[in-house]
Amino acid sequence: DSGVTQTPKHLITATGQRVTLRCSPRSGDLSVYWYQQSLDQGLQFLIQYYNGEERAKGNILERFSAQQFPDLHSELNLSSLELGDSALYFCAWDGSYEQYFGPGTRLTVT
Amino acid sequence: GESVGLHLPTLSVQEGDNSIINCAYSNSASDYFIWYKQESGKGPQFIIDIRSNMDKRQGQRVTVLLNKTVKHLSLQIAATQPGDSAVYFCALNPGNTGFQKLVFGTGTRLLVSP
Repeated sequence: DSGVTQTPKHLITATGQRVTLRCSPRSGDLSVYWYQQSLDQGLQFLIQYYNGEERAKGNILERFSAQQFPDLHSELNLSSLELGDSALYFCAWDGSYEQYFGPGTRLTVT
Repeated sequence: GESVGLHLPTLSVQEGDNSIINCAYSNSASDYFIWYKQESGKGPQFIIDIRSNMDKRQGQRVTVLLNKTVKHLSLQIAATQPGDSAVYFCALNPGNTGFQKLVFGTGTRLLVSP
């Protein structure tokens, strides 16, 4: 068990809608990363936050945004959803050198 | 940059055999490499890592080999077990970023039959 929780585990929604995915890291984890894993694009880095501030951006669409709150939990907001946004979304945090991943949220856009 | 890959090759082995999973990379500035295992419905799980100043590292039943000359990384699993069935990803830190961004390679699905 990674000690990280992601909610919801599964989410089914319609095109054009907006959803919020939540990640609660282990105690003391200042960094949080968001990744998207889709069938045609593999695992892709979206965005990183460190202690509440955005640290780096990857292949994140303008329709997507994220936040990290004072208690260090993070939310990934996806808006104007399209069919192609269907994917697994993972948050991750730093180990000594590697990253540890949460269990993921499976988003299905219909 | 590194490629992510659009398909998932499969490696099928018999229980007890040794498995070798390969990964190629293109960025010679990469200084840190990781192998992850991902079981169905779960997030990637760290297996083993290696820094660019090493060419071999061993863990429990796993060995990672790094050949910087040809930019090739491999994961060897000894005495493969049914529980090893999963998708395996190599990941690397490109070495040219100021943060720990990982770039993932094409996954390989390992199927272990009893």
